[in-house]
Amino acid sequence: AQKVTQAQTEISVVEKEDVTLDCVYETRDTTYYLFWYKQPPSGELVFLIRRNSFDEQNEISGRYSWNFQKSTSSFNFTITASQVVDSAVYFCALSEAGDYKLSFGAGTTVTVRA
Amino acid sequence: GAVVSQHPSRVICKSGTSVKIECRSLDFQATTMFWYRQFPKQSLMLMATSNEGSKATYEQGVEKDKFLINHASLTLSTLTVTSAHPEDSSFYICSARTGGFTDTQYFGPGTRLTVL
Repeated sequence: AQKVTQAQTEISVVEKEDVTLDCVYETRDTTYYLFWYKQPPSGELVFLIRRNSFDEQNEISGRYSWNFQKSTSSFNFTITASQVVDSAVYFCALSEAGDYKLSFGAGTTVTVRA
Repeated sequence: GAVVSQHPSRVICKSGTSVKIECRSLDFQATTMFWYRQFPKQSLMLMATSNEGSKATYEQGVEKDKFLINHASLTLSTLTVTSAHPEDSSFYICSARTGGFTDTQYFGPGTRLTVL
């Protein structure tokens, strides 16, 4: 069963628009961790954020913000005022306690046009 | 964040040869490293978990005799693709787990393997 669902395959926006990436996860564990990674065209995965299941506080880091809602099993990611450099594939991932393995979603390709 | 290197970044080899890929954690010790495979426009598929000083744990469907993993030190894991064939051509990515309170996997830059 797929543990992480990223329903949006591709999103295309014009520079300075906001873009929200959806991530829905599935787990029976009460302790788990959620991640977002960015994969630019170069291929390297860049760590963006880690959130544990007991911390539902939303987080903002510069133009990036994350909304974690356990009630809907979602961990959405918003890029505000997008820039061309934000063009990449973004992956949401889940790790269940004691396992340490990452289950990745299918990824969402974001294209920001100048 | 933590830095993970991978070498080589790109390799082209003939069918039937073996290829070794190195994954190093540069500024932290990693008791656990992971090896992934990624096909074009697809997500990452976990191949195996590499634990320092013990045998690797392979995911279902991954041939352990085909993909040899060695984790000889706390900063180095190697993946050897034995008797490579064109279907082994792919992007291989390693990650290293930091452990501790902020336990996170950091990824290497990946290795593009092309088997002719």
